[in-house]
Amino acid sequence: DTGVSQNPRHKITKRGQNVTFRCDPISEHNRLYWYRQTLGQGPEFLTYFQNEAQLEKSRLLSDRFSAERPKGSFSTLEIQRTEQGDSAMYLCASSPPGTGVGGYTFGSGTRLTVV
Amino acid sequence: QKEVEQDPGPLSVPEGAIVSLNCTYSNSAFQYFMWYRQYSRKGPELLMYTYSSGNKEDGRFTAQVDKSSKYISLFIRDSQPSDSATYLCAMASTGANNLFFGTGTRLTVIP
Repeated sequence: DTGVSQNPRHKITKRGQNVTFRCDPISEHNRLYWYRQTLGQGPEFLTYFQNEAQLEKSRLLSDRFSAERPKGSFSTLEIQRTEQGDSAMYLCASSPPGTGVGGYTFGSGTRLTVV
Repeated sequence: QKEVEQDPGPLSVPEGAIVSLNCTYSNSAFQYFMWYRQYSRKGPELLMYTYSSGNKEDGRFTAQVDKSSKYISLFIRDSQPSDSATYLCAMASTGANNLFFGTGTRLTVIP
């Protein structure tokens, strides 16, 4: 598989529960990004990893959100105490060294519904 | 004011038509300009990537950047039903690691 893989594809949770999403980037890609996309809007940047280091976080990433990339390969995004406003598509992207913003490959996303 | 503005449409055209999609932006530091295509329930797919001003052509697609007007365009010639999707513009500054996206324009090409 040469694409960015995200699991699960769809998650329905009750308000207040914790959820965790996983992203497996393309194997040779050292950069990994998380974005959030709400209905009718474009993706919004959440956070960026280079290898295992989290180098950038958006103001959108409140203290209920945490992202990790422990061995520089797959990444997880956890949302604690989910709220209805967290309902969105969570997109992961990766890029190889030296390509910058022009080298993104996005996954198909995890759609979160908070009821 | 959002950094990137894009008319959400929807836009419906007959097969074979020329489609024009546009975005405006306010941040003069943007140097990298991209167009993505997003099918329903899928992630965005990069179509065109341009640095600074000018035109770029790839098959039926042409991207134009006018930095003096802070305006970018994507033209699709001989549109096909398979072009039906949401088209997102995206931009970034030099050295940045994140993209700023427009809201997307939903396009339907009618056979």
